[in-house]
Amino acid sequence: DAMVIQNPRYQVTQFGKPVTLSCSQTLNHNVMYWYQQKSSQAPKLLFHYYDKDFNNEADTPDNFQSRRPNTSFCFLDIRSPGLGDAAMYLCATSRDYSLQYFGPGTRLTVL
Amino acid sequence: GQQLNQSPQSMFIQEGEDVSMNCTSSSIFNTWLWYKQDPGEGPVLLIALYKAGELTSNGRLTAQFGITRKDSFLNISASIPSDVGIYFCAGNAGGTSYGKLTFGQGTILTVHP
Repeated sequence: DAMVIQNPRYQVTQFGKPVTLSCSQTLNHNVMYWYQQKSSQAPKLLFHYYDKDFNNEADTPDNFQSRRPNTSFCFLDIRSPGLGDAAMYLCATSRDYSLQYFGPGTRLTVL
Repeated sequence: GQQLNQSPQSMFIQEGEDVSMNCTSSSIFNTWLWYKQDPGEGPVLLIALYKAGELTSNGRLTAQFGITRKDSFLNISASIPSDVGIYFCAGNAGGTSYGKLTFGQGTILTVHP
């Protein structure tokens, strides 16, 4: 039973071409997070939604945006991907600020 | 900012051996979590710890919340090949840091059959 679902699992985009990654959840959790994880590193928090309230991390580049149209879905938009944005992007959810459950991730390649 | 020091960075062991890894922090955490990440997948929560001194098991895994609240340990007994992966500790300081997790650098575990 998939709880946090990310699509696609693999995404290839061209340098500068906007890309959108999606996350959905069946847990009815009110908090959704987006992380970036580069090879051999720990996940790095980009931003999170508490219900409809958006919370950006101070060091998240403006190139990264997010949308949460409803409780179940959250999107990560990368407006102009650079080579340095190639990474695994992880979505996570939690009830309030309790345990975080991660999705399987989307591997982004930038050509 | 808060940092977690996780050690060892990597381990190469034989199947059947026990494994220990730990995380230490310069500041106090209210919650300690241990995740396992397989290649190409997202982290999977293994154990959550909420109280200083707490010792919790999940099958062959045992984790402890240090009494000082600045460290945590994860032990894996009788390792098997499917234990291979990267293990991350994560701490939540609570308070104004909301649910933000501080991650350790990860321990890469290799198990030889």
